[in-house]
Amino acid sequence: QQQVKQSPQSLIVQKGGISIINCAYENTAFDYFPWYQQFPGKGPALLIAIRPDVSEKKEGRFTISFNKSAKQFSLHIMDSQPGDSATYFCAASMEYGNKLVFGAGTILRVKS
Amino acid sequence: DTGVSQDPRHKITKRGQNVTFRCDPISEHNRLYWYRQTLGQGPEFLTYFQNEAQLEKSRLLSDRFSAERPKGSFSTLEIQRTEQGDSAMYLCASSRPGREVLFFGPGTRLTVL
Repeated sequence: QQQVKQSPQSLIVQKGGISIINCAYENTAFDYFPWYQQFPGKGPALLIAIRPDVSEKKEGRFTISFNKSAKQFSLHIMDSQPGDSATYFCAASMEYGNKLVFGAGTILRVKS
Repeated sequence: DTGVSQDPRHKITKRGQNVTFRCDPISEHNRLYWYRQTLGQGPEFLTYFQNEAQLEKSRLLSDRFSAERPKGSFSTLEIQRTEQGDSAMYLCASSRPGREVLFFGPGTRLTVL
């Protein structure tokens, strides 16, 4: 019930391509779905987040797509750049970001 | 904001020893969280404070772990009688009152030999 399943485990994309990372959850009480980006030696940093009352949120090159009925959400990175190479985590929580439940992470490598 | 700071950044200890980590949150952030991250996994929630009150502890936080946040400022996480399974990155995060965004520190990497 508390798990968030993330795929793929790793991803290699050519520069300028689209990176897509998927997550699925079971707990319908989750109402906040952020994506975090983590570089080596750093803590995770919030990238973009969505609430289940909208199906899509876009910020620059980053878009979250949310499918409430399927209990799935995904991160799309358009025009992927080498600087986007990092580990990406989806997460979910039931109240204001407390007790964020994280996915296992996706290691993204963008080849130049 | 100067960011969340954690000290030390790395700690190597022998099994059975006690270790203590410190976290300084962003000023005026009243919520402080501890997470643990093992290699290849996402961060796992351990505990969180609102001001000086510890409001929730995960079942992952065994009785060998204790966290404090005196005066609602910095926080310490102590692990007693360390075991090899405690080897992980310990992350601290803080957030503003009523805000969802968690700001994470760089973490303390613990290696138990």
